[in-house]
Order: sequence, then structure tokens, then C-alpha cells
Amino acid sequence: QQQVKQSPQSLIVQKGGIPIINCAYENTAFDYFPWYQQFPGKGPALLIAIRPDVSEKKEGRFTISFNKSAKQFSLHIMDSQPGDSATYFCAAYERNTGKLIFGQGTTLQVKP
Amino acid sequence: DAGITQSPRHKVTETGTPVTLRCHQTENHRYMYWYRQDPGHGLRLIHYSYGVKDTDKGEVSDGYSVSRSKTEDFLLTLESATSSQTSVYFCAIRLGTDTQYFGPGTRLTVL
Repeated sequence: QQQVKQSPQSLIVQKGGIPIINCAYENTAFDYFPWYQQFPGKGPALLIAIRPDVSEKKEGRFTISFNKSAKQFSLHIMDSQPGDSATYFCAAYERNTGKLIFGQGTTLQVKP
Repeated sequence: DAGITQSPRHKVTETGTPVTLRCHQTENHRYMYWYRQDPGHGLRLIHYSYGVKDTDKGEVSDGYSVSRSKTEDFLLTLESATSSQTSVYFCAIRLGTDTQYFGPGTRLTVL
């Protein structure tokens, strides 16, 4: 049972486009939602994170939108660049257990 | 990289052999984690530790054991490796109350 569902599995956009990656969850005990970026051969790196008391967080070209009532959150990458080509994972932190639950990952390719 | 190293970085082994992966951290973090990464599954928690000699199971713990005899080292052991354990293994540490940082990974191939 996948507690955090991520879509799409893969995504191709042109340079300058705005890729959007979506995640959904069911567990209301989740209270922290990070996004990780992973380049080939590297470990996942924390990109941006949000808590459920805010609806949006922006850091540079990366924005998280959070809809608590729908139990959904998404990552938007503004003015995407070829260097943004990577795998992106959403995750949710379960306060009760202290565990981080990951989505399945999205492979993004930004074409020049 | 939050001061995390993993060794070895690559390993090829045969079915039935024992394998131990090491995670080393230099910043005295209490919480350490082992994950495996497989296509279509994201990262799945194998075991974690919340202190020296304090460990607990994660989502996919069958076939794995861990040990933590000192704060800086967290070992993951495959007692008898199987082909289904071919994967990329990541160690992570926790900073603060919820943020995790990952090591560079170990690519394990079981033939």
C-alpha cells in the first residue's frame, strides 16, 4: 500500500517550461512534506519542504503548493533549465512514528 | 552531504553470501536510517536507529539486520544475500525533528 502517491512517473518539458509534479496522501498524521532532488549516481538532496499550516512555499524557482483539505501537494519548477533534469521525490513525515514515507519518484527531463 | 559516508560505494556479490554495508557520520547525530531505492518504489525504509544499540524495523526489513555499537557507525547486514536485494542502498541522518539528509549510496548487485 503506497501511502504517498506521486505522478507522473516521467515528464519531459522544454527549457523555460513549468513542470508540475503531484503527490497525494491519506494519512492525516503526516505533518511535514519535503521534496528531494536526485541526480544520477548521487543521493537524494533536500530541495524544499512545507508544513500543512501554509498553502504555498517558494524558494527560488521552486514552489510547493499544498492543499490540506484535498490531501495533495505539488512541486512547480518555474523557468525550468536543462540542469533541473533529475529525479524528484515527494515525501511525508509521520510524526507518530518518526518515519519519512516517499513517493515513487518522477524523472524530469528538460530539453534545451 | 551532512558528513555522511557510505562504504563500499559499489559491490558485486553472489547469492547466499553475507554482506555488510557501512554508514559513517561525523556530526554525532542520534537518528540514522537505511533505505533501499528501486525503480517504481521510491525509497523504502529498511531499519533505523535512534541511539547506540537502539534500532527498529522499517517497511522492508525482512532479510536485513542492523547494528549500531557507536554513534558514528550504522551497519546494515544481509545475512544471506538474494537477487531480490540487488538495489541501491542509502543511509540518512536526521537533523532537528524531521529533516533527513542522505549519503551518496551503495550500489549492490547480487548475482
